[in-house]
Amino acid sequence: QKEVEQNSGPLSVPEGAIASLNCTYSDRGSQSFFWYRQYSGKSPELIMSIYSNGDKEDGRFTAQLNKASQYVSLLIRDSQPSDSATYLCAGTIYRGTSYGKLTFGQGTILTVHP
Amino acid sequence: NAGVTQTPKFQVLKTGQSMTLQCAQDMNHNSMYWYRQDPGMGLRLIYYSASEGTTDKGEVPNGYNVSRLNKREFSLRLESAAPSQTSVYFCASNPRPYEPQHFGDGTRLSIL
Repeated sequence: QKEVEQNSGPLSVPEGAIASLNCTYSDRGSQSFFWYRQYSGKSPELIMSIYSNGDKEDGRFTAQLNKASQYVSLLIRDSQPSDSATYLCAGTIYRGTSYGKLTFGQGTILTVHP
Repeated sequence: NAGVTQTPKFQVLKTGQSMTLQCAQDMNHNSMYWYRQDPGMGLRLIYYSASEGTTDKGEVPNGYNVSRLNKREFSLRLESAAPSQTSVYFCASNPRPYEPQHFGDGTRLSIL
């Protein structure tokens, strides 16, 4: 099992809809989780961080963390064509000497169509 | 504020050639990382440096070496390039291990 897995994509939603991106992780020692957005040919850009159970909202973005279920999600409300990108879920995995290293999921390609 | 700067942005090498990818950050971060990104494989950690003077292997270290030259700079060296090392390489840094990483613009490397 991969340490961080994202639900299979690609995901296509109409403009104005809610896009839901999901991620599961295997290591209960994981402490911090991040969502990055990556446009084609560009570098990953941090959009959300979440460290504790519950929801965290920032503008149109809401990150949700459930450590009991080992599940992280990202909701994008009022999706815009400019949100079309690959979204990467990442978590820090603690395992002895692996302390602090970031492990990425495969990414989910999101397309928002007008 | 430049953040994380990588050089070069593009490079083409022949099999067997050597090359060093440079990375510098101006955010006074303690930790620095090198990743490669390949289609369908996501971002994979090559090496990291938790603090100045330390380096450790990541998921895919074979064929690479690194040097943490000082707090700002972390270089990645390919001693004898192979076509399998054709990839996009990203350098990243963060203040402390649990904090978000900031990425450079990447180096697109092709090995013929």
